[in-house]
Amino acid sequence: IAGITQAPTSQILAAGRRMTLRCTQDMRHNAMYWYRQDLGLGLRLIHYSNTAGTTGKGEVPDGYSVSRANTDDFPLTLASAVPSQTSVYFCASSDSSGDGEKLFFGSGTQLSVL
Amino acid sequence: TQLLEQSPQFLSIQEGENLTVYCNSSSVFSSLQWYRQEPGEGPVLLVTVVTGGEVKKLKRLTFQFGDARKDSSLHITAAQPGDTGLYLCAGATPWNSGYALNFGKGTSLLVTP
Repeated sequence: IAGITQAPTSQILAAGRRMTLRCTQDMRHNAMYWYRQDLGLGLRLIHYSNTAGTTGKGEVPDGYSVSRANTDDFPLTLASAVPSQTSVYFCASSDSSGDGEKLFFGSGTQLSVL
Repeated sequence: TQLLEQSPQFLSIQEGENLTVYCNSSSVFSSLQWYRQEPGEGPVLLVTVVTGGEVKKLKRLTFQFGDARKDSSLHITAAQPGDTGLYLCAGATPWNSGYALNFGKGTSLLVTP
């Protein structure tokens, strides 16, 4: 059972470069999310998608974009990376975007922007 | 704005000790979740509490939801090294047409043999 797969596991990136973090789920969940986790700041929502074809902005969306062409995939793109985007990125999914829904998380992508 | 405040931030105890972790908010949540995260992994759901005053037990872990549904606690009895990890509470907040989980900053627990 794979659940949520994130790639790459880690990446070092030069500032100004474009980067796409990949996220795939095999649970046929409708809702997907991208969080970033930073020491002292906890997990913060970047973007989300309630269902395929729709996306929305979370708490910290600036500098990031997402797409949801199908149910399984939810890539996160940094158009022009900056050092403040150094973080651990987690993709998550849930059956729906309703209140109290359980989130399933991937193992994360450690991104360093130099 | 951090809706959920967790305390303590860090906790280092010896095997066999008891501990309590707190999650407080000025907001009312219809449900609150607790997750545990181990190094190099994503958070994993432990429990969801829904009713004010609700108490749920998961082996040596006891979770309580406050009567006013603004706070929650996690009590671990006879902690073991395997309990080491980051404990996160999370509450669902309305976000556009659905809900999104808002997380506390977490309590980092270290249990030494």
